[in-house]
Amino acid sequence: DIQMTQSPSSLSASVGDRVTITCRASQGITNYLAWFQQKPGKAPKSLIYAASSLQSGVPSKFSASGSGTDFTLTISSLQPEDFATYYCQQYYTYPLTFGGGTKVEIK
Amino acid sequence: EVQLVESGGGLVQPGGSLRLSCAASGFTFSSHSMNWVRQAPGKGLEWVSYISSDSSTIYYVDSVKGRFTISRDNAKNSLYLQMNSLRADDTAVYYCARDRLFGYWGQGTLVTVSS
Repeated sequence: DIQMTQSPSSLSASVGDRVTITCRASQGITNYLAWFQQKPGKAPKSLIYAASSLQSGVPSKFSASGSGTDFTLTISSLQPEDFATYYCQQYYTYPLTFGGGTKVEIK
Repeated sequence: EVQLVESGGGLVQPGGSLRLSCAASGFTFSSHSMNWVRQAPGKGLEWVSYISSDSSTIYYVDSVKGRFTISRDNAKNSLYLQMNSLRADDTAVYYCARDRLFGYWGQGTLVTVSS
């Protein structure tokens, strides 16, 4: 199985900050990587697919990059509605696997 | 508008069974693969099972193989998860999600396995 490792597991940031989350796959997954945002008590929401493509309706403050084993998600200017937990996920092969999550909290 | 609505969760004793349903609307259900994903209380996301649009291809995470069965009824726009021999570590919110990209999710249904 492909292991997905996210870092950091949590971070504190202020409104307006630029935030970067990293995700590493245990083996190459080309660009078969997605990012999700989850708020407490809610279902996850798809942000990014194919490592860097924004889902329809997702604001451009979210960007992502990477290929192979190393990936990043960046939020350019953190807003109150962005405080949430973010997950990466590989869909290169089954079993599909998620990273452990990164909780973005208010400083 | 795409909608996925899960149902069937509840409290069940260890060793018991439960059948989850996911009702789909707002898109051509028969053209899309589907998944079940779960989230234990306070934990991260875990993919559970996948079924192709025509049910010809099915996958499971190892921890549920032989106990859970995914199925679908394209005439009823519905996805199912039959869960047998339930264990305490199956306790989670179960979500259905569309396609390999998980572009759409339901609101989830809580399954609690406890005596």
